[in-house]
Parts: sequence; structure tokens; C-alpha cells
Amino acid sequence: AQTVTQSQPEMSVQEAETVTLSCTYDTSESDYYLFWYKQPPSRQMILVIRQEAYKQQNATENRFSVNFQKAAKSFSLKISDSQLGDAAMYFCAYRSAGLSGGTYKYIFGTGTRLKVLA
Amino acid sequence: DAGVIQSPRHEVTEMGQEVTLRCKPISGHNSLFWYRQTMMRGLELLIYFNNNVPIDDSGMPEDRFSAKMPNASFSTLKIQPSEPRDSAVYFCASSFGAGETQYFGPGTRLLVL
Repeated sequence: AQTVTQSQPEMSVQEAETVTLSCTYDTSESDYYLFWYKQPPSRQMILVIRQEAYKQQNATENRFSVNFQKAAKSFSLKISDSQLGDAAMYFCAYRSAGLSGGTYKYIFGTGTRLKVLA
Repeated sequence: DAGVIQSPRHEVTEMGQEVTLRCKPISGHNSLFWYRQTMMRGLELLIYFNNNVPIDDSGMPEDRFSAKMPNASFSTLKIQPSEPRDSAVYFCASSFGAGETQYFGPGTRLLVL
């Protein structure tokens, strides 16, 4: 069975600095998707970035980028030039390849709370 | 685009009562997901629909939980009877295709006393 592990329950970063959130996963599949979601105090889940496993190039969205290491099953999120609005819970998520009947498995990590210090 | 709409945003009820949570997916999306978030168990997928048909309900905790999607623009998650351990935030998400990126609603915070 697939698992997603976020080993850092909480992280802090100074405003304007860079921080990296860790995520590891376990799977026997070769084709899958990985996501980072942000959950601010409002509780809304917001997609930050997505990575297709078949792509070697790391995904980037403005100040957010990932370091995807497929062999190591690692998927870390780097936030550059941190802003106060980045403070939130960050969840790493895994989506399996399509199973028989077109079903998918979605698994979320336990989250990392990011604090941004002014 | 209005995004995924959930109602109510907050629900407080007593043990044994029936609870109905509602979700309107993003127009044009054909996949809909129900999640539950608790401190103890994190975010769990309960069930998802594709083209209004339940595809995977293996995450539904027990028979007290049921979900329906009578049409492409509406889904319900019902708990009957409710128990205190059902207290959680319930999220609905939708996507254009079950394998595509999901967009989450604001969630319904349920408290069962």
C-alpha cells in the first residue's frame, strides 16, 4: 500500500528567507502524481504545485518549486522569499495511477505547519 | 468561477441526529470527492464519484455514512445516526476527470455533542 510521510510537524522561517518542507512516499507504481496543498487558517485546501512522476523536470510555480527525486521517493517543497501569507499547514499528497475500472487512490500526509516570522 | 460550494459551513448537532452535508462542484467538473479531516487521522478520502457514479467508497467508515450524487451539480454526504467521533471537518472537492487536479471547497465543520 502507498504511504506518504511528512516528518516535520512544524517549521519556522524568517520573512524573505527560503524554507524547504520534506515529503517522502512509498509506492511500487511507476506512474503517479504528487501534489502540495496549502491549508491556511481559513481551512480551505489550496493547490500549490503538482508533479507528474514521468517528468524529470521539477515543477515550479512562482516562488514555489519542488525537488522530485523519484529513485529516493522524495518530494520536497521549497518556498523562496517567504511571505507572511505563506503561513499555513502544507500537505503532501499522492495520487496513484489509474487502477482497474478507472479508480485512483489518493493519500495525504499528516501535514507540516509553517510559521513565518516577521 | 464560484469554486466548490459547501453547506452548511458549520454544523452542531446532538448524538443520534441525522446530518446532511451538501456540495456543489465546479461547473463542468465530472468527478467529486468527499474527504474527512481530523487531528488524529489527518485527511482521509471517504468516497468519490465519476460522472455521478460512486467509484470508490472504500473510505466510508461504516454504514452510518452514505453519499449520493443525483446530478452533476449536487452531492450529499449523510450521517445517520451521528456520533461524537464523527466530529471533523468534511471537505468536498471536484476535478475535471478523476485523475486530474482537485479543487477543494471551504469545508463543513461538524461537531456532534
